Amino acid sequence: ETGVTQTPRHLVMGMTNKKSLKCEQHLGHNAMYWYKQSAKKPLELMFVYSLEERVENNSVPSRFSPECPNSSHLFLHLHTLQPEDSALYLCASSQDWAGGNQPQHFGDGTRLSIL
Amino acid sequence: KQEVTQIPAALSVPEGENLVLNCSFTDSAIYNLQWFRQDPGKGLTSLLLIQSSQREQTSGRLNASLDKSSGRSTLYIAASQPGDSATYLCAVIRDDKIIFGKGTRLHILP
Repeated sequence: ETGVTQTPRHLVMGMTNKKSLKCEQHLGHNAMYWYKQSAKKPLELMFVYSLEERVENNSVPSRFSPECPNSSHLFLHLHTLQPEDSALYLCASSQDWAGGNQPQHFGDGTRLSIL
Repeated sequence: KQEVTQIPAALSVPEGENLVLNCSFTDSAIYNLQWFRQDPGKGLTSLLLIQSSQREQTSGRLNASLDKSSGRSTLYIAASQPGDSATYLCAVIRDDKIIFGKGTRLHILP
């Protein structure tokens, strides 16, 4: 039990579909993150939320839309994705967003495949 | 632009041996460096976090060192066990940016 739960674990979708990834943490943390992990590439930070406000957006295409309704939940809404978006999407949380100066706790990820 | 390199990409070691994983980074102006472990199909587990003012951190059989001036960090694993088999990633943090290496895939042979 990692304390950070991601659903679904696997998702296959067509390029015209709309789906959402969900992340939930029960650690009482104030910061949450979305990462993308592609084969043969380093892990990439996509979004950072601190106290439900977005504090970081690393030039991510608009077809990825994050939402943080409260400090325990984080969503990644997907629409009109491309085949190169197939990857493992990881969610993480930390006590605070201190410039990345605190250990992050990761979920097990959602394996996304775009047909 | 910060780049993080981990060599080798994969490593196989007999059980019981001590081993060292390497991480190098191009920009020495970092806030901290973290080592993570990732098991297949799983997320990352934070192993050690070294602040920029520190030289090393230890946790059990793991010891991580940091030499900012040379842009290097090592993760030393003592008395390796089959359960240590995983991918090990290092990441450097500066200016709210976290940059990961591609990882070293470690296999401990029973």
